[in-house]
Amino acid sequence: GQNIDQPTEMTATEGAIVQINCTYQTSGFNGLFWYQQHAGEAPTFLSYNVLDGLEEKGRFSSFLSRSKGYSYLLLKELQMKDSASYLCAVESGGSYIPTFGRGTSLIVHP
Amino acid sequence: DARVTQTPRDKVTEMGQEVTMRCQPILGHNTVFWYRQTMMQGLELLAYFRNRAPLDDSGMPKDRFSAEMPDATLATLKIQPSEPRDSAVYFCASGLGDSHSYNEQFFGPGTRLTVL
Repeated sequence: GQNIDQPTEMTATEGAIVQINCTYQTSGFNGLFWYQQHAGEAPTFLSYNVLDGLEEKGRFSSFLSRSKGYSYLLLKELQMKDSASYLCAVESGGSYIPTFGRGTSLIVHP
Repeated sequence: DARVTQTPRDKVTEMGQEVTMRCQPILGHNTVFWYRQTMMQGLELLAYFRNRAPLDDSGMPKDRFSAEMPDATLATLKIQPSEPRDSAVYFCASGLGDSHSYNEQFFGPGTRLTVL
């Protein structure tokens, strides 16, 4: 089985930087996803990490350490529209089916 | 603009009634997933199809839930009989994947099910 842990809720200020952590325990790790989900909407893909290191995509970056079972999503220059739930999902084993964490609800305030 | 579609968007029904949810995956995608999302449990995988074949439905209560893909353009999730604890948002997602590559998933808008 897999164990995926994320903080339940975080708050941050518009224009700031926030880091959302995800730790996992799994066997046969393949890769890790981050998805964004606005209230009442469907999750949308943000990033996928396979190798260790930081991958940057605009204001969002995702980091992975396979040896530590750890990832984070970094959001820079926060905007009000970034208020959403951020889901970490881990793929492992031979099936390549991701298992989702419970998500971190990010609240951005002025 | 290709996207996954789901019907109905909202469903309110009474306990014991049959519920059928439908999903049209993105044309050309060969993987289809059904998820259930609640505040308490988060996003739970119910069923997974690749090339229309069911590969994993271990997360689905077999006594009342069934998932099928009658053809490549339609996936269905049926609950019979429905119970109040089935109240949740049900998402369908599709993607391109095989046993050797990752599955980026494209989610539909979801069906919000309320069982009274």
